[in-house]
Amino acid sequence: KQEVTQIPAALSVPEGENLVLNCSFTDSAIYNLQWFRQDPGKGLTSLLLIQSSQREQTSGRLNASLDKSSGRSTLYIAASQPGDSATYLCAVHNTDKLIFGTGTRLQVFP
Amino acid sequence: GAVVSQHPSWVICKSGTSVKIECRSLDFQATTMFWYRQFPKQSLMLMATSNEGSKATYEQGVEKDKFLINHASLTLSTLTVTSAHPEDSSFYICSARRDRLEQFFGPGTRLTVL
Repeated sequence: KQEVTQIPAALSVPEGENLVLNCSFTDSAIYNLQWFRQDPGKGLTSLLLIQSSQREQTSGRLNASLDKSSGRSTLYIAASQPGDSATYLCAVHNTDKLIFGTGTRLQVFP
Repeated sequence: GAVVSQHPSWVICKSGTSVKIECRSLDFQATTMFWYRQFPKQSLMLMATSNEGSKATYEQGVEKDKFLINHASLTLSTLTVTSAHPEDSSFYICSARRDRLEQFFGPGTRLTVL
């Protein structure tokens, strides 16, 4: 059974810092991995999707890497801003399902 | 493109009543839709997979007679919470799969059962 874990569970940093959020999964037979952002009481916003054949994806200040063999992905946020405050979820896609991680609650203060 | 809507965005109901939540793919056809449930400060848990024209596949531990799913068209799936009780209060999110590998998520429905 696929299990997805995210570390840390919560993070509070001053703005301007570069951040690394971690995601690990137990079954490496995945189609892809996706990072989402969720604001309180809201739905999901897709940030980055990495196909199983890819090593990384970049969008603006965000960079996500994937090491399928070791069951790990990292989301790198450069020059964090208060507007980045949200919960970040990673999800792995295998056997036609998306399995979500436990989430990292990020707060960036001015 | 790839927009998914949910209606209503929030609902409050009395215990024992039934509530229907709609999930629509607005600009694409989705043969498969998914329903998730999220408790406060927890992650999303898949409840069921809904395939157009066939019965939904429920995850282990999800009562199919309590959470009725209908996927009558390629753009609409509905989740009906029957005889709702306070423990059913949660945030329900749907997603629609446009192609083999990517799901697009609705904005969620907050259900509060009094």
